[in-house]
Amino acid sequence: DGGITQSPKYLFRKEGQNVTLSCEQNLNHDAMYWYRQDPGQGLRLIYYSQIVNDFQKGDIAEGYSVSREKKESFPLTVTSAQKNPTAFYLCASSIYRASTDTQYFGPGTRLTVL
Amino acid sequence: GENVEQHPSTLSVQEGDSAVIKCTYSDSASNYFPWYKQELGKRPQLIIDIRSNVGEKKDQRIAVTLNKTAKHFSLHITETQPEDSAVYFCAASFSSARQLTFGSGTQLTVLP
Repeated sequence: DGGITQSPKYLFRKEGQNVTLSCEQNLNHDAMYWYRQDPGQGLRLIYYSQIVNDFQKGDIAEGYSVSREKKESFPLTVTSAQKNPTAFYLCASSIYRASTDTQYFGPGTRLTVL
Repeated sequence: GENVEQHPSTLSVQEGDSAVIKCTYSDSASNYFPWYKQELGKRPQLIIDIRSNVGEKKDQRIAVTLNKTAKHFSLHITETQPEDSAVYFCAASFSSARQLTFGSGTQLTVLP
């Protein structure tokens, strides 16, 4: 999991602003994922991408957008349409070869709306 | 879609005792069941996983059991130590979706 990096570690946003969270991996993994974690809750899937230039919505995609222009990178933009964005955001990646792929997580970005 | 329920939400045990966390899932097509450990403020880390073609898997003090008929799987930690204190998440996935659905987590506290 050391091959997945996220930046920044902490991010503060004013209401009405869009912010972009970075996720990079050097594991040569095909699939990448974004999860949101709220206190006392599990991880909820926002978006995922199985190949470059393709991505699918997860369970809570509203108010978020992503791009996958490079295999190594999967940035997440939290838009002003996301009404409650304060949360811990985790990026993950896996080899896209079977349903039993292990997902490895990055260190996370903690986003706070001021 | 898949739904995963995890119990209990909190669990306290004395050091040296065993801990058991249980999960149930809804989709009978699910065939991969990983367990993650997350320490406060850190990333989830895979500690053990099981595929649907086996019923039990062990790794030192950690074991996972799977009952596909009943659609539930459990994490067993023996001889618990203070460093086992963390939040544990179960998850399930099935081949066509290639997504993990997570349980809500169990806060395990090992009391010295």
